[in-house]
This record gives sequence, C-alpha cells and structure tokens, in this order.
Amino acid sequence: DAGITQSPRHKVTETGTPVTLRCHQTENHRYMYWYRQDPGHGLRLIHYSYGVKDTDKGEVSDGYSVSRSKTEDFLLTLESATSSQTSVYFCAISPGTANTGELFFGEGSRLTVL
Amino acid sequence: AQRVTQPEKLLSVFKGAPVELKCNYSYSGSPELFWYVQYSRQRLQLLLRHISRESIKGFTADLNKGETSFHLKKPFAQEEDSAMYYCALRIQGAQKLVFGQGTRLTINP
Repeated sequence: DAGITQSPRHKVTETGTPVTLRCHQTENHRYMYWYRQDPGHGLRLIHYSYGVKDTDKGEVSDGYSVSRSKTEDFLLTLESATSSQTSVYFCAISPGTANTGELFFGEGSRLTVL
Repeated sequence: AQRVTQPEKLLSVFKGAPVELKCNYSYSGSPELFWYVQYSRQRLQLLLRHISRESIKGFTADLNKGETSFHLKKPFAQEEDSAMYYCALRIQGAQKLVFGQGTRLTINP
C-alpha cells in the first residue's frame, strides 16, 4: 500500500461547513495527488504537490485548497462544502523523483455533503 | 487539450469469452498510456503500461497511435476480472495522469 493512509475514511457534513481530508505517507515520496471519483466522470485531479509548500491545481480545483507543510502530509480542504462535492476522494503518491505514471492510491475517503 | 475517453460505462461478458475494454486518447505529443484496475474492496492499482508491453493477469494492451487507442484485451475472461478499469494518459513532461471515465466490467458465470 506504499504506506498511504487517508483520514477520515467516511464523513457526513452539512452544506457550508469546512472539511479537511488528510493524506499521510510514510516513505518520503515527493509527489502527492488528490483525485475525486464520480460515476460517469472517472477520476479527476483536484490538486497535486511536488514538494513541501509546492502545489499546483488540477482540472477540478475550484472550491478546494491544499497544503503540504511537511513531506508526509497532504491536506485537502473544502472551504465551504457543497452537495456537488459529495464524492469519494483518493490520495495518491508517485514513487521516486518524478511521476513515471505509476501511482499508488490510498483507500479513499467517502464524503457526503447534505 | 489532453483527454482520455472510455466509451463504455458498463461491459458484461460471460466467463470464457473474450474481453475488450476500449480507450481512446487525444494528445498532440508522444503519449504514455496506462491501465488501472480497482477490484471490489481493494485499492486502485496499476494493471499495465504500454511501455513495458507486458501481459498481466492475461491482459494485454497495444498502443495504436494512428487510431489514438489503447484498448485492453483478454482472450478468455475469468470471474475474478470483474472490476472497475481506468485508462490513463501521462503527458510528457507533466507530473500527473489524466484518467478516463472508467468501465465497470462484469464477468457472468
């Protein structure tokens, strides 16, 4: 599992509340990613990081922010959750010093926004 | 823009029958293509990549640049192949993957 854990694994929240999802890795990988998985849309990249304090936007970054203050943790924050952000969120890492295309994924965090 | 298209959301075949999961891509440069699989209650994982030209669990995929396709094939489906399959494209020089919409494959006994 490449030492990746996500928390919480399940969360139910209300519209307008902030939510933070955590991705933790134990192997000091440089590249970390947040994807969301939705039926009919597949996996879509939200944000990614290529080092401490180095992040960039993916294809569906609106309404999300990220932080990486240390190598092992990559946080995804929904500043004000909306029902359209109900989804399963996956964290992934790319081993090595560059993304070779092989990603290792976490178990996913299922978020429901009521 | 880079894009990966999997035209079939659902695919159902009988055990022992051939399987083909379609993947088409749009990209102006030199693409690197991958197939990922997610079995029930397991993590999403890499199945195979076009560069290695290997066969994993009986699956193969050939990159066809003329048709911009990377279809996944298996001659004889098994029940344990039932899963969600994603095709992915790595853009040269970029540190990210673009995924398709996914195809849920069901193998009927």
